[in-house]
Amino acid sequence: EAGVTQFPSHSVIEKGQTVTLRCDPISGHDNLYWYRRVMGKEIKFLLHFVKESKQDESGMPNNRFLAERTGGTYSTLKVQPAELEDSGVYFCASSQDQGGTQYFGPGTRLTVL
Amino acid sequence: EDQVTQSPEALRLQEGESSSLNCSYTVSGLRGLFWYRQDPGKGPEFLFTLYSAGEEKEKERLKATLTKKESFLHITAPKPEDSATYLCAADNYGQNFVFGPGTRLSVLP
Repeated sequence: EAGVTQFPSHSVIEKGQTVTLRCDPISGHDNLYWYRRVMGKEIKFLLHFVKESKQDESGMPNNRFLAERTGGTYSTLKVQPAELEDSGVYFCASSQDQGGTQYFGPGTRLTVL
Repeated sequence: EDQVTQSPEALRLQEGESSSLNCSYTVSGLRGLFWYRQDPGKGPEFLFTLYSAGEEKEKERLKATLTKKESFLHITAPKPEDSATYLCAADNYGQNFVFGPGTRLSVLP
């Protein structure tokens, strides 16, 4: 069974540019989560999808971040325009049930210069 | 505010030297306590889930235990390949996990 995959693995962009991160969850997992780890800090929750619906987006830092999950399969996280403080590693996770074990992808390392 | 702390921040052990990692949590309600292992450049890899005080889970050289306020990850006779960052996370009946900062474990041959 394929695990959670994320693309790209690394992205380096200039401040003010736009970046889109993609996550493909484990097949059949309705729950999809986005997390972020900035340098020296713990992993922090961003948002949670159940199928194509946003269940909780309380962790999204501001309106420069837009997450979508069209069709309830893969998800994208767009940052527009990117700021220096957006640098970090963005993780995606999926679970079969809410409250169940979350399986994480390898992450996307975003560097904003 | 829900919070998870871990200690120590870093731990160096000699191969075969057993020890324990601590995860303390303060959450409004605990649905489950999760342990993950993270290697450099990779995502967290699931190890254990504990749901109630007194519960224990084992896997190879690792054993996780849970009380009402904390969880321990005991490492027995560790090997160099056990070197990693160990993360704990609390599911607080919310929509997400609250992660601790992790313990960086180095096992020297």
